[in-house]
Amino acid sequence: GQSLEQPSEVTAVEGAIVQINCTYQTSGFYGLSWYQQHDGGAPTFLSYNALDGLEETGRFSSFLSRSDSYGYLLLQELQMKDSASYFCAVRPRGSSYKLIFGSGTRLLVRP
Amino acid sequence: EPEVTQTPSHQVTQMGQEVILRCVPISNHLYFYWYRQILGQKVEFLVSFYNNEISEKSEIFDDQFSVERPDGSNFTLKIRSTKLEDSAMYFCASRPSSGRELNTQYFGPGTRLTVL
Repeated sequence: GQSLEQPSEVTAVEGAIVQINCTYQTSGFYGLSWYQQHDGGAPTFLSYNALDGLEETGRFSSFLSRSDSYGYLLLQELQMKDSASYFCAVRPRGSSYKLIFGSGTRLLVRP
Repeated sequence: EPEVTQTPSHQVTQMGQEVILRCVPISNHLYFYWYRQILGQKVEFLVSFYNNEISEKSEIFDDQFSVERPDGSNFTLKIRSTKLEDSAMYFCASRPSSGRELNTQYFGPGTRLTVL
């Protein structure tokens, strides 16, 4: 099975950098994704790591280390609108591209 | 920009009643999914659907649940006899079959189901 753990809540200041960690136990997966969800909204895709290393998309970067069973999402130049929940998710091997989501991290950006 | 749409946005029903949640996936997508999210919890996979049949389903997706693609655009989730614990936000998602966005699932805005 798959289990993905994230910190429940992170607080940071506008303009700062924040890292949201995701540690996992899984029998095998194709890649690690990150989704953003504002209160009452739908999950929105942010990034995908198929391979180990860093993927950068604007202010957001995501990192994966399969040997450490660990990944993270890095948000730079934080803005108030980044206040949301962030979920890591894996696509298990042999599956229909379904996503198994982590427990989610609520990010609060303060002025 | 194309998007997944869902109706209704909110559905209130009595325990034991049947509900049908509707979704219109992005038009050139071929893979469809239903997820649910109980308030304050993580998103959970229910079922995946491709080529007019279920590809995979979770333990949550028992005999009370069914999915259908009744025409070329709609994708529905039916709960035959709702229980209190079915109260959740239900998200439909779709993804393309090829290209750069192969690993991107596009989620609809969700239907909030409240079972009384």
